[in-house]
Amino acid sequence: AQRVTQPEKLLSVFKGAPVELKCNYSYSGSPELFWYVQYSRQRLQLLLRHISRESIKGFTADLNKGETSFHLKKPFAQEEDSAMYYCALITDKLIFGTGTRLQVFP
Amino acid sequence: DVKVTQSSRYLVKRTGEKVFLECVQDMDHENMFWYRQDPGLGLRLIYFSYDVKMKEKGDIPEGYSVSREKKERFSLILESASTNQTSMYLCASSFREGGRTDTQYFGPGTRLTVL
Repeated sequence: AQRVTQPEKLLSVFKGAPVELKCNYSYSGSPELFWYVQYSRQRLQLLLRHISRESIKGFTADLNKGETSFHLKKPFAQEEDSAMYYCALITDKLIFGTGTRLQVFP
Repeated sequence: DVKVTQSSRYLVKRTGEKVFLECVQDMDHENMFWYRQDPGLGLRLIYFSYDVKMKEKGDIPEGYSVSREKKERFSLILESASTNQTSMYLCASSFREGGRTDTQYFGPGTRLTVL
């Protein structure tokens, strides 16, 4: 079955702390994964996709096929990173995880 | 910039009413999608469309239908609204690459309340 799992509903950290948002997937083919972000009162937007292997707003994510994971990381969290984060897997459609709310306290 | 627009930001309807949610994209995308977004449940796909007049059921199509008469427009219809359809509805569009969806671009959402 094709599935994306985000085990944490809420992650709270202090400004400057490292952040890791977990994402695991289940897919029989060659996976292609995204992270989407939704800031308060804004539309859902693409943060990064694994094939581009880039860092956006200080976030990176590495695909680990052995562990079937695509965790999102940032070494030093900022208050403006507070948002809802969704991991998604491409098939003929996007399969989303249930999302993790990141709260960064000052 | 890709623009995906939705006809209303907020909508309040009564149980049993027929509800139309409209979505328009301006990037000539083949794919269009309707999701509902609920706390703790994430985004759930209702229906999607690969092309004009084509539609595919998503994960939760019950109680909904869709219409795609033009490439740029994708409508979601609630034939008889019920209170459990109170939700945030998101539209998205994307190109189609090798049989798979590409990056999806989202509209601002319509918050529907059914009384």
